[in-house]
Amino acid sequence: QKEVEQDPGPLSVPEGAIVSLNCTYSNSAFQYFMWYRQYSRKGPELLMYTYSSGNKEDGRFTAQVDKSSKYISLFIRDSQPSDSATYLCAMSAGSGYSTLTFGKGTMLLVSP
Amino acid sequence: DAGITQSPRYKITETGRQVTLMCHQTWSHSYMFWYRQDLGHGLRLIYYSAAADITDKGEVPDGYVVSRSKTENFPLTLESATRSQTSVYFCASSEPQGGRKVEQYFGPGTRLTVT
Repeated sequence: QKEVEQDPGPLSVPEGAIVSLNCTYSNSAFQYFMWYRQYSRKGPELLMYTYSSGNKEDGRFTAQVDKSSKYISLFIRDSQPSDSATYLCAMSAGSGYSTLTFGKGTMLLVSP
Repeated sequence: DAGITQSPRYKITETGRQVTLMCHQTWSHSYMFWYRQDLGHGLRLIYYSAAADITDKGEVPDGYVVSRSKTENFPLTLESATRSQTSVYFCASSEPQGGRKVEQYFGPGTRLTVT
């Protein structure tokens, strides 16, 4: 079993839809959770960062962590064609662990 | 505010040649990382460095060499390039604080083709 599982997609939605992107993980030591957005032929850019369980909201984006289920989500409200990208989840145990474990990414396509 | 830069952005080389990919960051972050990204594999860590003159292997280090004589630079060398090293290479940096702030910031990538 991979440490972090992420559906590769592609996930195709119409403009304005609510998008849900998810990752599951197996390492219960993970406590820092990130979402990166990667446009085609660009480097990943940090989108959201959360610590431990709970929700974090930033504009149209909401990150949710459920440590009991080892499941994290990224919700995008009122999706736009400019949201079309690959979304990667990443996580870390912190506390001396400086490396991140990444999911393979989900490709999102938002059509006008 | 340059952030993190990589050079060259595109490189074509032949099998057996040595090639060096450069990475430079202006944030004075202590940690720097090299990843390769391939279809079906996602991002895989090659090497990372906690500070100048401190480096450690990641998941796929074979065939690669790194050095870090200055905090801001972290070059990656393919000593004898092979076709399997054709990939997109990303450099990243971070400044963990007491185990927190572990997020990493990525450069634009170098697309390397080995013929």
